[in-house]
Amino acid sequence: DAGVTQSPTHLIKTRGQQVTLRCSPKSGHDTVSWYQQALGQGPQFIFQYYEEEERQRGNFPDRFSGHQFPNYSSELNVNALLLGDSALYLCASSFGPGGETQYFGPGTRLLVL
Amino acid sequence: AQSVTQPDIHITVSEGASLELRCNYSYGATPYLFWYVQSPGQGLQLLLKYFSGDTLVQGIKGFEAEFKRSQSSFNLRKPSVHWSDAAEYFCAVASTGGGNKLTFGTGTQLKVEL
Repeated sequence: DAGVTQSPTHLIKTRGQQVTLRCSPKSGHDTVSWYQQALGQGPQFIFQYYEEEERQRGNFPDRFSGHQFPNYSSELNVNALLLGDSALYLCASSFGPGGETQYFGPGTRLLVL
Repeated sequence: AQSVTQPDIHITVSEGASLELRCNYSYGATPYLFWYVQSPGQGLQLLLKYFSGDTLVQGIKGFEAEFKRSQSSFNLRKPSVHWSDAAEYFCAVASTGGGNKLTFGTGTQLKVEL
């Protein structure tokens, strides 16, 4: 049973660039949520996708956008990167947007220089 | 708005000693409560969860947690810590009113002395 997978594992970008992170949910799951974890902090909710639509959004600017594909995989896009966007980006999947339990992937470590 | 407080940033225990990590939450109703563990450079692994029913829940790796509504707490315990338990532990709350957005505490870093 494949768990949540994310790619790439690490990424280095410069300020102003754009980045795309990818996530495949756990088998049988149809909902994907994205979280940002800054160094020394707990994860912060960015947004959630279900049925190819954004269903919930946290307190993040419009520079953060996403997409969900028919196979339930998802992308997180960040435009106009800032130094403060450096973080571990975690993807979590669940069955349904109200699914009781979310399972997390290993994350993508983004460094913005 | 829901929130989670983990008052201990760092905890050090000796191997074989008991462990209790504190978690307090703020939420208008009975929330869904979770404990996750994160090893260095890794994602989050679910240790245990509470939705309803028995207030003492058992998880993986010998961990348990007790929901106390009167204290708005969900403390994590383990009777005998192993060196491999050294990691960061996060308490989280999810709303029960639709949508499962998780709100996390700032985490407790556990160090185990041999």
